[in-house]
Amino acid sequence: TQLLEQSPQFLSIQEGENLTVYCNSSSVFSSLQWYRQEPGEGPVLLVTVVTGGEVKKLKRLTFQFGDARKDSSLHITAAQPGDTGLYLCAGRRGGGSEKLVFGKGTKLTVNP
Amino acid sequence: GAGVSQSPSNKVTEKGKDVELRCDPISGHTALYWYRQSLGQGLEFLIYFQGNSAPDKSGLPSDRFSAERTGGSVSTLTIQRTQQEDSAVYLCASSLVAARLAGKETQYFGPGTRLLVL
Repeated sequence: TQLLEQSPQFLSIQEGENLTVYCNSSSVFSSLQWYRQEPGEGPVLLVTVVTGGEVKKLKRLTFQFGDARKDSSLHITAAQPGDTGLYLCAGRRGGGSEKLVFGKGTKLTVNP
Repeated sequence: GAGVSQSPSNKVTEKGKDVELRCDPISGHTALYWYRQSLGQGLEFLIYFQGNSAPDKSGLPSDRFSAERTGGSVSTLTIQRTQQEDSAVYLCASSLVAARLAGKETQYFGPGTRLLVL
């Protein structure tokens, strides 16, 4: 059973388009993180959200944590080829758990 | 270097052989994690070390997998009697525990070791 479901699994768009990636669960998370991973490298943290309803912006990227802390979304405005990569969401269940639970990722390709 | 390093970067082995994967965390990071990333899958937690505490081994898929962390720094993941289903990218990450306790943990990942079992 996958605790964190990401959609879509694959996304191929043209430069300049907008897109949204979703991360959903039936479980509550104390915090949720988004990472980006490029081929041959490890994931790099983009953002951490901890409060239900929280919205964080990182340049053209907007991250939202659901009110119930069960889901999150990543919206990219005017995508660039440099945004290409694997986007992973990861949640921490809390209650002293050190483990991060990762989704399977969304592979984004932005074509020039 | 300032980041997490892993070696080897690639490893090809024959079924049944043992392999050792190495991770050098960022200096001063007391928390160290091992993950496995198979094709089309997310990261699967394997094991977590924190200082001198007993490691959390709950993610190890079988008793063929083991890991140790010597001197609170370098860690080695060992896979005995490798099987073809062990083929994956093995990622190591380190972090500051104080940041996690404050809800602001950043795990810094190494580039991974790509293991192929023939």
